[in-house]
Amino acid sequence: QVQLVESGGGVVQPGKSLRLSCVVSGFNLIAYGMHWVRQAPGKGLDWVAVISSDGQTRYYADSVQSRFTISRDTYTNILYLQMDSLRVEDTAVYYCARGGAPDHWGQGTLVTVSS
Amino acid sequence: EIVLTQSPGTLSLSPGERAVFSCRAPHNIRNDYLAWYQQRPGQAPRLLIYGASSRAPGIPARFSGSGSGTEFTLTISRVEPEDFAVYYCEQYGSPPYTFGQGTRLDI
Repeated sequence: QVQLVESGGGVVQPGKSLRLSCVVSGFNLIAYGMHWVRQAPGKGLDWVAVISSDGQTRYYADSVQSRFTISRDTYTNILYLQMDSLRVEDTAVYYCARGGAPDHWGQGTLVTVSS
Repeated sequence: EIVLTQSPGTLSLSPGERAVFSCRAPHNIRNDYLAWYQQRPGQAPRLLIYGASSRAPGIPARFSGSGSGTEFTLTISRVEPEDFAVYYCEQYGSPPYTFGQGTRLDI
């Protein structure tokens, strides 16, 4: 059974850092590309980042380029999103999702950036 | 960045009616890598269609996708009560990947 469980969200001040985790089960990260997608309160979906199945290629949305880093640990089957220099506009529920067109999603973790 | 434009913003229908959602891109989406998602309140998105027209596993046959290049359509042949939700298109052919702004299907 495929499962994705995000954690690491919380309240953080502008300019600070936070690392999100996504523990996956029922499949191996080496076999799938993985995404982070976010959704600000009451707003639409906003794609954030992707890492390829071989872990060699990563792409980012312009809004997070150079501030966020997507990575993974294939031994523990955990996907990460390191978020630095956080801004108020980064406030959102962050989802991890599997695949090219993501077919499995986690339940999301809320990140609130506020002073 | 490919900006996707969805229309209409809100679709008001009754159960049993046909729903048609539009998604447009300013230039061709590579390999027609266009997906559609349904999102109910408080839930994660659910993949409906990938590759513009392939139905995801477990998705009812009343959902269908069509189109290519720059214009894509999601159709629900006969709307069921559980279909009232927000629908998003996404292009995953050229990074950075992008979503449309969504269409709300209301009763």
